Amino acid sequence: KNQVEQSPQSLIILEGKNCTLQCNYTVSPFSNLRWYKQDTGRGPVSLTIMTFSENTKSNGRYTATLDADTKQSSLHITASQLSDSASYICVVSARMNYGGSQGNLIFGKGTKLSVKP
Amino acid sequence: GAVVSQHPSWVICKSGTSVKIECRSLDFQATTMFWYRQFPKQSLMLMATSNEGSKATYEQGVEKDKFLINHASLTLSTLTVTSAHPEDSSFYICSARRTGRGTEAFFGQGTRLTVV
Repeated sequence: KNQVEQSPQSLIILEGKNCTLQCNYTVSPFSNLRWYKQDTGRGPVSLTIMTFSENTKSNGRYTATLDADTKQSSLHITASQLSDSASYICVVSARMNYGGSQGNLIFGKGTKLSVKP
Repeated sequence: GAVVSQHPSWVICKSGTSVKIECRSLDFQATTMFWYRQFPKQSLMLMATSNEGSKATYEQGVEKDKFLINHASLTLSTLTVTSAHPEDSSFYICSARRTGRGTEAFFGQGTRLTVV
């Protein structure tokens, strides 16, 4: 069964600190993995997208890693800011055998990050 | 670029009435749009895939007669919740994929529906 598990479920850190969020998946065949940031009451905003051959990708203070062998990904946030408080969602896309589809997107439940002053 | 706009951002309606939610791709054409529902502290759940000019494809368990989807143009898809009930209260999010540009999709800001 295709699943995406994220940990921790929630996390509280102090402003300026770093943190790492984890994502494990059992999706096959794998197409790509995305990290989204979702502010409360808003739609998700893409942070990174990685394909099978990519090990790391950065977007400002966000750095995502992917280990396709162990089916693990992480999102590292450097020098956290109050505005980083949000839910971070890991989404894995399974390669479909037919076109015209978004592919089969499997969503994790997200990690709720709270950055405190 | 790649902006997806939903309207309204929030809506309160009486039980039994219908509510229409719009999803627009503002600066690109989207042959395919997707509608999701998200309950509190839960992940997004795909409801249906909307294809321009054809019938929507609904996920298992989603009532197509209750959640009417229309994708009449390359920049607009609408979701109408018919005969709304309190259990339909949820956060509805659309996403749109650029025509011919792979599987990257961009999300709207979501619509909070409350049925009283």
